[in-house]
Amino acid sequence: SAVISQKPSRDICQRGTSLTIQCQVDSQVTMMFWYRQQPGQSLTLIATANQGSEATYESGFVIDKFPISRPNLTFSTLTVSNMSPEDSSIYLCSVELFTDTQYFGPGTRLTVL
Amino acid sequence: DAKTTQPTSMDCAEGRAANLPCNHSTISGNEYVYWYRQIHSQGPQYIIHGLKNNETNEMASLIITEDRKSSTLILPHATLRDTAVYYCIVKDFNKFYFGSGTKLNVKP
Repeated sequence: SAVISQKPSRDICQRGTSLTIQCQVDSQVTMMFWYRQQPGQSLTLIATANQGSEATYESGFVIDKFPISRPNLTFSTLTVSNMSPEDSSIYLCSVELFTDTQYFGPGTRLTVL
Repeated sequence: DAKTTQPTSMDCAEGRAANLPCNHSTISGNEYVYWYRQIHSQGPQYIIHGLKNNETNEMASLIITEDRKSSTLILPHATLRDTAVYYCIVKDFNKFYFGSGTKLNVKP
């Protein structure tokens, strides 16, 4: 498995501001993913972030709202831009290991006022 | 979109086996079935995965039907700490699309 950390673990932000969430993994991985989990809902895939290429976004998610960086094989960031209360969610990163299995970080709980 | 359907919730008595079903009738021949659980909004925890043979590990057993259109996750001796939402997932082009999952309530 992999040890994945996320920063911050939680935050409360004002509408109109932006928050950058960091995801760090303890081994080099090719594929990293970002998910959103709205209150009481299941996980929704936002984008796939592969090192050395642009992130691939799922339908309903755009780069201007959720810019992603993937500077190396152990780190990625997701920015939630121009936030509104509807962005209040848990944001999770995951990594895929050579076993074709994904392992998830602990999540970042975001509240937008 | 998720390629699986699961019951919304199930109850299980502590110490008894919990059998969680999943339908994946459109699964392709080389697609694996994965099971994860999420306890109280923590990050999902990997449980087990399989292709067509039954699988067992220290957490659970996975039974996949011969036609691969459904599977069952078995927790042999459920404890209160197994109360969680259990997700059955079939990978779609290397991505996980989560369905609604099954809320398992383990009761004393």
